[in-house]
Amino acid sequence: DTGVSQDPRHKITKRGQNVTFRCDPISEHNRLYWYRQTLGQGPEFLTYFQNEAQLEKSRLLSDRFSAERPKGSFSTLEIQRTEQGDSAMYLCASSLLSGEKLFFGSGTQLSVL
Amino acid sequence: DQQVKQNSPSLSVQEGRISILNCDYTNSMFDYFLWYKKYPAEGPTFLISISSIKDKNEDGRFTVFLNKSAKHLSLHIVPSQPGDSAVYFCAAYETSGTYKYIFGTGTRLKVLA
Repeated sequence: DTGVSQDPRHKITKRGQNVTFRCDPISEHNRLYWYRQTLGQGPEFLTYFQNEAQLEKSRLLSDRFSAERPKGSFSTLEIQRTEQGDSAMYLCASSLLSGEKLFFGSGTQLSVL
Repeated sequence: DQQVKQNSPSLSVQEGRISILNCDYTNSMFDYFLWYKKYPAEGPTFLISISSIKDKNEDGRFTVFLNKSAKHLSLHIVPSQPGDSAVYFCAAYETSGTYKYIFGTGTRLKVLA
């Protein structure tokens, strides 16, 4: 069990640029989640997958955000035309289909200048 | 609409004493609850959980209590240790719903030596 892996750990970008983050879940986990966390707040749900199907996406999520999990294994989260308000920690988590616990990665800290 | 609330942003406790962290929820459909601990620059790690069919669950120094009628849960840490200093999040979801975990805003616990 190697845990949930996220890459990169840190990303600094200029406003207007596109960024992509990768998440590798625990290998046997069917569900994969993306959350965003800003200072002083709890993790905010963005979207989740069951295998390769994206089952729910937050209504708060702008069209600039897109996530994929093409083969039901790793996932990518892309943010297009980044804005300073996108600066946050982006967390990936995974769980078993029947499991109750989410296992989180260490996150990707995004800073938009 | 904040469905899961942690009204105390911070708590300080002396080493060896009890720490009590509180969480309230508004969605009566939530039937599974979890507590996570988070250190800076790391992802949240699972601590303990409870199903709505129970009112108490213990794991070592950690006990979670659930009061369904009040829509309230609490985490007790006894005895508190300096290494427990972290931010604690409660989370909830519906097992018959979308498996979307909703997190509170967190309570920063400081255990004083």
